[in-house]
Formats: sequence, structure tokens, C-alpha cells
Amino acid sequence: QQQVKQSPQSLIVQKGGISIINCAYENTAFDYFPWYQQFPGKGPALLIAIRPDVSEKKEGRFTISFNKSAKQFSLHIMDSQPGDSATYFCAANELGRLIRYGQNFVFGPGTRLSVLP
Amino acid sequence: DAGVIQSPRHEVTEMGQEVTLRCKPISGHDYLFWYRQTMMRGLELLIYFNNNVPIDDSGMPEDRFSAKMPNASFSTLKIQPSEPRDSAVYFCASSLSGTGERRMSEKLFFGSGTQLSVL
Repeated sequence: QQQVKQSPQSLIVQKGGISIINCAYENTAFDYFPWYQQFPGKGPALLIAIRPDVSEKKEGRFTISFNKSAKQFSLHIMDSQPGDSATYFCAANELGRLIRYGQNFVFGPGTRLSVLP
Repeated sequence: DAGVIQSPRHEVTEMGQEVTLRCKPISGHDYLFWYRQTMMRGLELLIYFNNNVPIDDSGMPEDRFSAKMPNASFSTLKIQPSEPRDSAVYFCASSLSGTGERRMSEKLFFGSGTQLSVL
């Protein structure tokens, strides 16, 4: 119920191409879906996030598409650049959950993206 | 702001030894999280604190693991005795309470992690 599934495990894209990473969840109580970007030797950093009241959110070259009925969301990186090479994690959370119930920010297993020059 | 600070960056120890990982959250943040990252299991939430109080430690794998937060600016994760299967990158993250009915804000700030190797 708390699991977030993510695919693919790894992705190789040519410079200028589109990178697409998909995630799926089961818990319908999740109400916040962030994507985190992690470079080698660094901790994950928030990249972009979406709430279920919208179907798409775009920030620069990064877009989240959200399908509430299918319980799926995806990250699209347009015009992918070598500097985008990193591991990407999708996550889900219940921001409205009372703190006493615990367990927040469930992360997907990650996708290692390599953008070839 | 210096961000979340973790120490040490790397720790190599022998099986059976005690290991202590340290974290300084961002000043003013009232949530602190400890995560473990491995290739096999990805990012796992071990425990988190709110206002220095442990809220959920259900992710702590065994009694060998313990975490404390004696004050708002410092937390430790201790493994005693350590085992080779504990080898992983351990991340600390902090966050600030949201407003209104939200119990937690949206953004986690991660430290750079501690790479632990237990031989």
C-alpha cells in the first residue's frame, strides 16, 4: 500500500532527446508527488512536484504528468542535456497526515539517467 | 545557509564496532529524518523526529540501530554492533512544518550523506 513503483531502472538518452520516467502508486491518500534529483556523492534535491488537483506541471525543461485515475505520474525532461545525468527518484506523501501516524515521503527505487553528448 | 551537515562523510569500520553518524539540520527546521540508501532497497526511511521527539521509528531495522535528537540542532544515528549488511549511504534530511492544516511542508533538504562500510 505504501510502495511507489518506478521504471525504468536505467535510461540512456542522446543529448537533445526526451527522457521519460514513470511511477505508480497504490495509496489513494497520497496527495503530494515530488521528484528528487541526485548527483553522485550528493544527497537528493527536490526538482519539481505536483499535487493531484492538476494533471500537469511544467518548470523549464521538466514536466510532471499526473493521471489520478490510473494512479500514475511521470517526469519528462525535454531537450535532455549531459548535465541532467543523475539518479531521479519519484516520491509520494500524505501532507495532510497527522504527525502521529508517521511514515512519510515514500520513495521509488530510482532511475539512473545518462545523457550522451 | 550551510544546509544539512552530516559527519563523517565516509566511515570504514570492522564488524562488531560501534558506529555513530551525526547530523546538523538546517536552523529553524523542526523535522529531521534519517534515511538509508542501498542499491537493493533504494531510499528507506529509518526514523523521523518532530521538535526533537521521535515520531516514527518503524523503519529502524533492528535493535542494533538507535537514534537520538538531544536538541534542535543535532541528531545521531548509532549502530551497535555494526554488521557488513549495514554498509550503505545514510542520509539525514530536515524540513519545516507547513501552515494551516498541513502537518509537514513539502520540501526535504538532504545532507550529502555518510558512506558507511562495515568490513
